[in-house]
Amino acid sequence: NAGVTQTPKFQVLKTGQSMTLQCAQDMNHEYMSWYRQDPGMGLRLIHYSVGAGITDQGEVPNGYNVSRSTTEDFPLRLLSAAPSQTSVYFCASSSWTVPNYGYTFGSGTRLTVV
Amino acid sequence: AQSVAQPEDQVNVAEGNPLTVKCTYSVSGNPYLFWYVQYPNRGLQFLLKYITGDNLVKGSYGFEAEFNKSQTSFHLKKPSALVSDSALYFCAVRDMGYGQNFVFGPGTRLSVLP
Repeated sequence: NAGVTQTPKFQVLKTGQSMTLQCAQDMNHEYMSWYRQDPGMGLRLIHYSVGAGITDQGEVPNGYNVSRSTTEDFPLRLLSAAPSQTSVYFCASSSWTVPNYGYTFGSGTRLTVV
Repeated sequence: AQSVAQPEDQVNVAEGNPLTVKCTYSVSGNPYLFWYVQYPNRGLQFLLKYITGDNLVKGSYGFEAEFNKSQTSFHLKKPSALVSDSALYFCAVRDMGYGQNFVFGPGTRLSVLP
């Protein structure tokens, strides 16, 4: 049981480049989310999905796109990287039917935009 | 809108002493409260939650949290701190409406000194 898998773990981009952060979960969770973590600001929600084919914007969606074509995968796309997007990105999933009501987090992607 | 405050950026405690990491919240309706811990270069790990029931909640690694509705607080506690408890701690509230997303506090860095 792999849980939530994020790739890559580290990435350096030049300003203006695009890339996709991958996230996959094998727990058949309905909910998936992307957060970014910045010092002193906790985790802020970028985009989320309540099921395949459904996505919504979170608190800080600008500059990012997502899609949810399958239950398992929830990739995050940076369209044109900017230094302000330097951050640690976490993907998380959860299931309403599991009594825990909590998130399972991936191990994160550390992104640096130069 | 829901919010979470962690009034201390940093908490220092000597090994063997009790520790408290503070959290206050603001929600409409019943709160669903969580504590997560993040070790260096790792994702967030679930510690404990309060959904309903007893105000004292016990979780992983000997941690517990006390829910106080009148003070809108959910402080994390441990009777005897270990050096290995040194980490970043996040309090979070879950929105049980559409999306069921989490709102995280800014985090408190706990340092346990030998």
